[in-house]
Amino acid sequence: SQTIHQWPATLVQPVGSPLSLECTVEGTSNPNLYWYRQAAGRGLQLLFYSVGIGQISSEVPQNLSASRPQDRQFILSSKKLLLSDSGFYLCAWKRDRGSHGYTFGSGTRLTVV
Amino acid sequence: QKEVEQDPGPLSVPEGAIVSLNCTYSNSAFQYFMWYRQYSRKGPELLMYTYSSGNKEDGRFTAQVDKSSKYISLFIRDSQPSDSATYLCAMSGTSGTYKYIFGTGTRLKVLA
Repeated sequence: SQTIHQWPATLVQPVGSPLSLECTVEGTSNPNLYWYRQAAGRGLQLLFYSVGIGQISSEVPQNLSASRPQDRQFILSSKKLLLSDSGFYLCAWKRDRGSHGYTFGSGTRLTVV
Repeated sequence: QKEVEQDPGPLSVPEGAIVSLNCTYSNSAFQYFMWYRQYSRKGPELLMYTYSSGNKEDGRFTAQVDKSSKYISLFIRDSQPSDSATYLCAMSGTSGTYKYIFGTGTRLKVLA
């Protein structure tokens, strides 16, 4: 069966510090991968998605970036965090074809102080 | 106007009640509709998936799509305190789409 792992679960970082969140998927190959941010009252905001190794599409211009160094690994990064980067970050995967709906990871609660 | 509108709630109901959760949307190209349940501090989990118009039932849950009105619903029968969570609708235009559009979620509280 397929599983998705996301870590860390909670993170408190000072303004201006770097960020690296990692997500891995097991039990499938060539998944579509997604990074979402969820803020209170604003729903799920798609940040990045990837349909293959090295292929990243950005939905929202900001100081975050994403990379996909391996087929089942997706990383969300920032060089310098802003207060506005605080939120609940969710990784998700979907089969390339024929499946419906995402499977989400357990999320990372990021607080920038 | 947002593409997908969802009342944020909270919606409080007594245990055993029938719950109706709804979303409206503006894009007539949407064909695939999903409902997710999200417990506090957890990732959303897929509850129901429907294609085009009609009803789909799974246990105590029924998903309903009315494309003519651009309106989707999730009904929960015999609601339980364990159903207390935020319910998010999501939709897309094609099955191969790379991204879904989500509602902001409705917070449901089922009181014992």
